[in-house]
Parts: sequence; structure tokens; C-alpha cells
Amino acid sequence: EAGVTQFPSHSVIEKGQTVTLRCDPISGHDNLYWYRRVMGKEIKFLLHFVKESKQDESGMPNNRFLAERTGGTYSTLKVQPAELEDSGVYFCASSQTSGSYNEQFFGPGTRLTVL
Amino acid sequence: DAKTTQPNSMESNEEEPVHLPCNHSTISGTDYIHWYRQLPSQGPEYVIHGLTSNVNNRMASLAIAEDRKSSTLILHRATLRDAAVYYCIGSYSSASKIIFGSGTRLSIRP
Repeated sequence: EAGVTQFPSHSVIEKGQTVTLRCDPISGHDNLYWYRRVMGKEIKFLLHFVKESKQDESGMPNNRFLAERTGGTYSTLKVQPAELEDSGVYFCASSQTSGSYNEQFFGPGTRLTVL
Repeated sequence: DAKTTQPNSMESNEEEPVHLPCNHSTISGTDYIHWYRQLPSQGPEYVIHGLTSNVNNRMASLAIAEDRKSSTLILHRATLRDAAVYYCIGSYSSASKIIFGSGTRLSIRP
């Protein structure tokens, strides 16, 4: 069974440009999460989808970030316009269940570099 | 959300057991204790979780103190592949997000 996949693995863009990251969760997983690690800091939660609905987007840093999950399958995270401080690794995870006990499966991450 | 405290780093020898400690003194009675690890250049991966009783799986064992204020992840026979950052997570928030701390960076000596 395929795990969580993310595309691209690396992206290098200039400040002010737009980048779209894609995440394909494990088939059948209704829950999809985005996390990121920036500038050597701790991994931080961004948002959580249940199917196509945003369950929690409290971690989204500002309105330059837009996440979508049309049809409840894959998800995209768009950064527009990108700023230097957005550089980091963006992880996607999925899980079958939610709540205080759920195993989240992570993708390998997308390394974003904003120049 | 329960705050966890872990040593920044630990070293161990290959093929020896490793005990990774975690303090979570503010954990509530219904919060599970989860451990994830992150191998170099990979996303985090689930290791084990437990509530009150000690737990074993193919990757590791989890020993939970009787008062649940601390726990220890046990790798019975470390290999070089176990070199990673290990995260002890005292709870998920009500919205299911994982709150990562800084973790313990485990190095394995050949």
C-alpha cells in the first residue's frame, strides 16, 4: 500500500512568487494534516482536514497560505506571495481516525527555499 | 495540552539497549502518550503509544510510570538505522494535531 506522497520534493523560488505543494494521503484516510518546520525550529501544525472540510486551521500563519482539499482526496497548499521566512520543510500527514488516539502517517516532506 | 520534557541528545552503542526518558507531569488522565521519530531526511513516523500499561510492539517498548508523570521508550537492541530524533508527545489537542517539542536526538555508535 502506498504511503503519503508529496510533490515536489524540493522547490526553490524567489520572494514574491507563488508555489503550490501537493499531498496525496493514504487511500481511505479522511483526515489530512499539514505541518511545517521552519528555520531549524520545531515542527508546527498548520491545519487539519476531515474529508474536504477544514476542521482546524489555527496554525495557518497568515492569509498568504491557502489550503484546499477538493473532493476529499489530495490536498494542495499554496503560498502566495512567498516570503523568505516561509523557507522550511512542509510535511503532510494522514490518518484514518481523529481524536486523542490516532496514528498519523507522514509524507517525506517538501523542502521549500525562498530566495 | 501536556508539556513534555526530554533530553536534547543521547548516545548509545550499536546492539545495546537504549532508554529514552520523557517527563510529562501535566498529563491528564485520558491523554495517551505517543512517541514518534524522525529519521534523517524523512517525515516523522509513529513508534508506539500507551495510556497506563506498558506496551510492546515490533519497534520498541513503552514503560509508563505508575503516576503517569513520566515514561521511557526502550529500544531493545539499537541499530545504526535507529539514529533519529525521538519525540515524546503528551497529548493531542482536541483537534487531533500533534504538538511536537524539540525531541531527543539519538546517535548510535558502531
